[in-house]
Amino acid sequence: GEDVEQSLFLSVREGDSSVINCTYTDSSSTYLYWYKQEPGAGLQLLTYIFSNMDMKQDQRLTVLLNKKDKHLSLRIADTQTGDSAIYFCAERDGGATNKLIFGTGTLLAVQP
Amino acid sequence: GAGVSQTPSNKVTEKGKYVELRCDPISGHTALYWYRQSLGQGPEFLIYFQGTGAADDSGLPNDRFFAVRPEGSVSTLKIQRTERGDSAVYLCASSLSGGAGYGYTFGSGTRLTVV
Repeated sequence: GEDVEQSLFLSVREGDSSVINCTYTDSSSTYLYWYKQEPGAGLQLLTYIFSNMDMKQDQRLTVLLNKKDKHLSLRIADTQTGDSAIYFCAERDGGATNKLIFGTGTLLAVQP
Repeated sequence: GAGVSQTPSNKVTEKGKYVELRCDPISGHTALYWYRQSLGQGPEFLIYFQGTGAADDSGLPNDRFFAVRPEGSVSTLKIQRTERGDSAVYLCASSLSGGAGYGYTFGSGTRLTVV
C-alpha cells in the first residue's frame, strides 16, 4: 500500500538551513505537499510541487523532488525560532479520491 | 466563512457514549475530507465527500463511525459507543473539487478524549 516516511526529529541553530526529507511509494502521485503544524493548531499548507517538476522555490522554502527515487525534500533557508513545528510531507493519492497520504511528521527544533 | 470551522474544539466523553463532530467547510468547496490524527502520528484518511455523497469511506475504522453531508456543505462525523482508542484529533479539510495544485484547507480540528 501507499506509505510516506520521514525522519522524526531535526535540530538546527537559528540562521542555519534546515533540510527535511521524505520518501513515498505511490509513483502515480501527481502532487506532493509540505504542511506545517504548530502545537495545538491545524495544518498549514506551506508549499506543493507537481510531479513533473524537479524543484520549486518560494521565498525561504525550496522543494526538491527526485521522482526516480521517490524522494522529496524541504529546505528552509535562514531558519528562525518561529519555524519550530512539526512538518508533514503528504502525497496526493493517484486514484479518484485525491486523498492525502501523510508521513509521521518531522519535529524541527530551532535553537537560538 | 474564511476558513474551515470545526466544532467543538475539544470534547471529553465517557466510554460508550455517542458523539458528533461538526465541520463547516469553505463556501463553494465541493470536496470534504475527514482525517484522524493520533498522538505522534500523521493524519490518516477516514472519509471523502464529493457534494452530498460519500465517495470513499474506506478509511472508517469500523461501523461505529459514520459521517453525513446532507446539503453538500456542513458535515457531521458521528461515533457510536466510543472507546478509549477513539481518542485523537479529528481534522476536516475542504478543497475545490479534489485539491489539485491548490491544496486542501484544514480546520483546527476537534480533540476527542474518551475517558
